[in-house]
Amino acid sequence: GAVVSQHPSWVICKSGTSVKIECRSLDFQATTMFWYRQFPKQSLMLMATSNEGSKATYEQGVEKDKFLINHASLTLSTLTVTSAHPEDSSFYICSAPPGTSGAGELFFGEGSRLTVL
Amino acid sequence: DAKTTQPNSMESNEEEPVHLPCNHSTISGTDYIHWYRQLPSQGPEYVIHGLTSNVNNRMASLAIAEDRKSSTLILHRATLRDAAVYYCILRDFSGNTPLVFGKGTRLSVIA
Repeated sequence: GAVVSQHPSWVICKSGTSVKIECRSLDFQATTMFWYRQFPKQSLMLMATSNEGSKATYEQGVEKDKFLINHASLTLSTLTVTSAHPEDSSFYICSAPPGTSGAGELFFGEGSRLTVL
Repeated sequence: DAKTTQPNSMESNEEEPVHLPCNHSTISGTDYIHWYRQLPSQGPEYVIHGLTSNVNNRMASLAIAEDRKSSTLILHRATLRDAAVYYCILRDFSGNTPLVFGKGTRLSVIA
């Protein structure tokens, strides 16, 4: 079946540094990818929609200058957390639909756990 | 997206069937009913989805009420590996939209 892979699985960084998380669709092309974050004991919250070849669409309250999203190819989207701070520590998850219809299933990456010291 | 209502938590004995309910009284005619689950420290995993008719796959069964205002995910024999948070989500078939997650139901399985 379709697979979505994230890298890294976990990362620890110092406050003020930037961290890049990659999301790849391994056996299908994804014109759209979705980025979520999840704080402990909470549900997934949609951050942004990544569109290949165009600007990402951010949800209300998500700073687009802090969470840079690039979807340069049909199999790769990246999320860069710029100038990370401890409050950015979270579980970041990407998702990609293999089709263009809402009738199909979505595939999720394994998640990337970011810890900012 | 229309909202869904699920119990916060449920408990099941191992090897017993589990029925996880979901209410979606404001569902529209173009909404598919999706179920995903999330094991600890992992991304969500697709379980099953349907529109009007009951659906079966290797993981579970989905029973959809005739008026589509509720559905039930059925795990036929719960195992310890089924302990997870189960999310019932409505998704419009007409567009490539993201899943909007509620709080889900935390299923505990007792050996």
